[in-house]
Amino acid sequence: DVKVTQSSRYLVKRTGEKVFLECVQDMDHENMFWYRQDPGLGLRLIYFSYDVKMKEKGDIPEGYSVSREKKERFSLILESASTNQTSMYLCASKTGQGFTEAFFGQGTRLTVV
Amino acid sequence: AQSVAQPEDQVNVAEGNPLTVKCTYSVSGNPYLFWYVQYPNRGLQFLLKYITGDNLVKGSYGFEAEFNKSQTSFHLKKPSALVSDSALYFCAVTIRRGGYNKLIFGAGTRLAVHP
Repeated sequence: DVKVTQSSRYLVKRTGEKVFLECVQDMDHENMFWYRQDPGLGLRLIYFSYDVKMKEKGDIPEGYSVSREKKERFSLILESASTNQTSMYLCASKTGQGFTEAFFGQGTRLTVV
Repeated sequence: AQSVAQPEDQVNVAEGNPLTVKCTYSVSGNPYLFWYVQYPNRGLQFLLKYITGDNLVKGSYGFEAEFNKSQTSFHLKKPSALVSDSALYFCAVTIRRGGYNKLIFGAGTRLAVHP
């Protein structure tokens, strides 16, 4: 079975802190994604990566950056956490073909206080 | 703009009755369409997808979806709902942007199945 693992289920951070969310997949997938999920807004794409060291901005990249140094790992970085970044963060991975489904991690619920 | 829409925030249905969760899309070219389900405090689980061929697609847990090209819809259906089907359902579509495939989601529909 494909496994996508996010490093934390719950995180509480202070405003202004630098926050790292880690995601690891074990299926050699080319594409990896970070979404945030907020009630009534569905899943919004923050960043995605189509290969090692390659990244593309999604629909809401402001305040975030990403790193993909190895194919299996995709990190989301909040440079200076703010309260409006309190949300559920979901990582996903899939092959490069458009017709394949994505596999999701269990999610990280981040609270910024 | 390429997008996917779920017009209902919530769908309520009695156990044993058929259910429908609606999805419409707007994409250029042939769409690749997906349904996912999310149980509380969990990630998303893949249910089914339409790539090409038969307009009726069968998936996990007895769910199926009907692709309708003329109405640009991909509604999720189940003949007989279970209380355990209560969850958040997301429709998604692959779009081609900047030479890469991106997966975009609707806002989600909460399904509540009552005993």
